[in-house]
Amino acid sequence: AQTVTQSQPEMSVQEAETVTLSCTYDTSESNYYLFWYKQPPSRQMILVIRQEAYKQQNATENRFSVNFQKAAKSFSLKISDSQLGDTAMYFCAFIPIYNQGGKLIFGQGTELSVKP
Amino acid sequence: DTGVSQDPRHKITKRGQNVTFRCDPISEHNRLYWYRQTLGQGPEFLTYFQNEAQLEKSRLLSDRFSAERPKGSFSTLEIQRTEQGDSAMYLCASSQTLTEPLYGYTFGSGTRLTVV
Repeated sequence: AQTVTQSQPEMSVQEAETVTLSCTYDTSESNYYLFWYKQPPSRQMILVIRQEAYKQQNATENRFSVNFQKAAKSFSLKISDSQLGDTAMYFCAFIPIYNQGGKLIFGQGTELSVKP
Repeated sequence: DTGVSQDPRHKITKRGQNVTFRCDPISEHNRLYWYRQTLGQGPEFLTYFQNEAQLEKSRLLSDRFSAERPKGSFSTLEIQRTEQGDSAMYLCASSQTLTEPLYGYTFGSGTRLTVV
């Protein structure tokens, strides 16, 4: 079975500080994509960053970057210079490249609070 | 295009009643997904359509649940004889087949169902 695990139910960080959210996954697939999604309170889920498993280089998007460790099946998200608007639930998600259904498998989520 | 729209945003119903939710995807997206998200958990896959064809259903989707996507445009999700355990956020998402692994889905804001 393919699973995604986020071991930190809640985290908090001071504004302008850096925070890292953890994610591990389990799969027998060799080619897949990994995503971090952000779900602000009462708002829709949006894509933060994605990583192709066949790429060794870690993805970055402005203040967001990942640390992808394929052998360890680890995919953490680092948020630099945290802003109040980063307060949200963050979900790690996985999809095999050859999955005909395109079905995302999500972790349980990490609730991040950015404090002023 | 205003993204993925879901209606209603909130629904309160009595146990045993039937409810129907609607999702309008991004017009050029051929895939449409339904997910269920309970409090404090990540979204769980329910079913998906490619155009008008329903290609996969999760075992979470009991016989009381039915989904349609006539003409490959909007989709409806109906729950018959609702139970308290059906209380959840129902998320709809859409994507284009070829770009889906790279860009993930576009999610709607969800329909929050409360069964009393």
